Amino acid sequence: GGIITQTPKFLIGQEGQKLTLKCQQNFNHDTMYWYRQDSGKGLRLIYYSITENDLQKGDLSEGYDASREKKSSFSLTVTSAQKNEMAVFLCASSIGTGGTEVFFGKGTRLTVV
Amino acid sequence: GDSVTQTEGLVTLTEGLPVMLNCTYQTIYSNPFLFWYVQHLNESPRLLLKSFTDNKRTEHQGFHATLHKSSSSFHLQKSSAQLSDSALYYCAPVASSGSWQLIFGSGTQLTVMP
Repeated sequence: GGIITQTPKFLIGQEGQKLTLKCQQNFNHDTMYWYRQDSGKGLRLIYYSITENDLQKGDLSEGYDASREKKSSFSLTVTSAQKNEMAVFLCASSIGTGGTEVFFGKGTRLTVV
Repeated sequence: GDSVTQTEGLVTLTEGLPVMLNCTYQTIYSNPFLFWYVQHLNESPRLLLKSFTDNKRTEHQGFHATLHKSSSSFHLQKSSAQLSDSALYYCAPVASSGSWQLIFGSGTQLTVMP
């Protein structure tokens, strides 16, 4: 088995601030993802990466940057936090893409004041 | 483009009654892959069951679903709801575009009452 560790668990930022969320996995998976979870809107893909140094935009990439520095880590940056923004950001990983199982971390809860 | 539609919002059941959560999808891929993920309160989503085969029932932890390509459906069912089944359920087809990523629906919150 393996684990996906997200830091921090809770993040409070100010409007306009640049904020970085970090994710580490020890599954040795090739593909990693960042999803945003909002109540009533499901899980929306922000960025994903199929290998080290690869980046692919999801449907919700505007306002975010990502970085896959090495196989085990994938970070997400909120480039300019929006006031009253509240969401949970989930990091995930899988062996490949397509029909392979996706494993999720416990999430980072973001609040912007 | 690809899309998925689930039973809207909140479903409340009494323990012991059957569960059915609807999922229909739209994709141009002739061999769709479909998944159900479950997320309990304060936990991460995890895989519940999946199917790649038309008209074949797949089961896990008392839940079952059958992929029907003819109706583009993959409904989740259970014969008798338990209190522990209370959770958020996501249906997710694999996108037919080059990304091959999961497309998660908006989720259905199931609450089972005693």
